[in-house]
Amino acid sequence: GAVVSQHPSWVICKSGTSVKIECRSLDFQATTMFWYRQFPKQSLMLMATSNEGSKATYEQGVEKDKFLINHASLTLSTLTVTSAHPEDSSFYICSASAGGPGNEQFFGPGTRLTVL
Amino acid sequence: QKEVEQDPGPLSVPEGAIVSLNCTYSNSAFQYFMWYRQYSRKGPELLMYTYSSGNKEDGRFTAQVDKSSKYISLFIRDSQPSDSATYLCAMSATQGGKLIFGQGTELSVKP
Repeated sequence: GAVVSQHPSWVICKSGTSVKIECRSLDFQATTMFWYRQFPKQSLMLMATSNEGSKATYEQGVEKDKFLINHASLTLSTLTVTSAHPEDSSFYICSASAGGPGNEQFFGPGTRLTVL
Repeated sequence: QKEVEQDPGPLSVPEGAIVSLNCTYSNSAFQYFMWYRQYSRKGPELLMYTYSSGNKEDGRFTAQVDKSSKYISLFIRDSQPSDSATYLCAMSATQGGKLIFGQGTELSVKP
C-alpha cells in the first residue's frame, strides 16, 4: 500500500515553455501533498505544501507565480513550472500523507526536468 | 548552522559489516524522526519512523533517537550490496508537519 506515482518521470523542454508534473496517490486518499526539489547530491528542499481544495503554502524563496500547484482532489496534485529556464532544471519529487497515526509522507519516484 | 546535519560520506563498507549512520539536529521541538533510503534517480523510501526518544527495530535495521543529545542513528546489520543507496534522515516538530531533511549519506556496500 501507500503508493505514489508521478508523471512524467522525465521531461525535456525549451526555455520559456511551461511544464506540468502530476502526482497521484494510487491506493489512499492524500489529505496533504508536498512538493520538493532536489539538486544532485543534495537533500530534498520543500517547495510547498498543499491541502485538497485549498491554496498551497509556499516556502520562503519559492515563487508561487512560477511554480503553480493545484490539489484538485484527494488523489491528485499538479505542479506547473511556468516559463521554465535552465536554472529550473532539477529533480522534482512529490509526497503524500493520508493523515494516519504517524502521518508518514510517502514519496513518488520523482520527475527529472531538463530545461534547454 | 543547518537545522539537521548529516555526514554526506561517501561511506564504503564490505558486505556483512554493521553500518552506522547518524544525524544531529538543533531544533529541540523535533519529535518525529524518520530514515529514508533513496536509490539513484528515484524517490525516497521510508525505512524507519520513530516518535520521541528510544529504539525501534525492523529486521536488519535499528533506529535510535536520543533527544537529550539531539542525535539520531540508523544501524544496518549484515549489510548487503543491495543496501547501497543514499540514506536521508528527516524530522518534524508536528505530526504530519514539514519535514526537514539531512543532506543524506551515500553508502556503498562492496561484495
